[in-house]
Amino acid sequence: QVQLQESGPGLVKPSDTLSLTCAVSGYSISSSNWWGWIRQPPGKGLEWIGYIYSSGSTYYNPSLKSRVTISLDTSKNQFSLKLSSVTAMDTAVYYCAKTPCVVCGFDSWGQGSLVTVSS
Amino acid sequence: QSALTQPPSASGSPGQSVTISCTGTSSDVGSYNYVSWYQQHPGKAPKLMISEVSKRPSGVPDRFSGSKSGNTASLTVSGLQAEDEADYYCSSYAGSNNYVFGTGTKVTVL
Repeated sequence: QVQLQESGPGLVKPSDTLSLTCAVSGYSISSSNWWGWIRQPPGKGLEWIGYIYSSGSTYYNPSLKSRVTISLDTSKNQFSLKLSSVTAMDTAVYYCAKTPCVVCGFDSWGQGSLVTVSS
Repeated sequence: QSALTQPPSASGSPGQSVTISCTGTSSDVGSYNYVSWYQQHPGKAPKLMISEVSKRPSGVPDRFSGSKSGNTASLTVSGLQAEDEADYYCSSYAGSNNYVFGTGTKVTVL
């Protein structure tokens, strides 16, 4: 059974880069799946950030594309999110998740990691 | 791309049914049979309940069903139970490898 676990700093300063890692266990990220990031500001709805395929192909939310990078580390069986030039609007719980295909829906999720942007 | 529109709240008594709508556009919900529904309890990660409009993943009770007509998708929860009280989010493939979520609906079991 696949398990996903987010990790990274809980506090980031404005204009800095937010960095999170999702460790995957029970499943190889080199398998034919898409690995994604979704965020949820406190008290608000879900927002898709982007995903990466096991081959390394990436697709990002157009509204965040200029600031987002998602990458794979197959040696550690994990994938990562970097979001640059953050502001208070980027304060949210960040989830990593797995989907078997772009149109299938995210069938496994991490527990989420709260990131607060504040000086 | 804009978020799909859901009613902020819905409610029903135990044993009753509740239906949640999810309205998009001809560029997302209306163009693809790739609508998913998620259940989220407070402080927890979302859980996939329906994929591809009406498919239930293994382990999801058959009390949950999905449908779509035009630009609007719907989730129906039949035989409401206390544990069904949660937030529900729809999502849709929006073309060009983009994905969009709904605004969310809080379901209350009276």
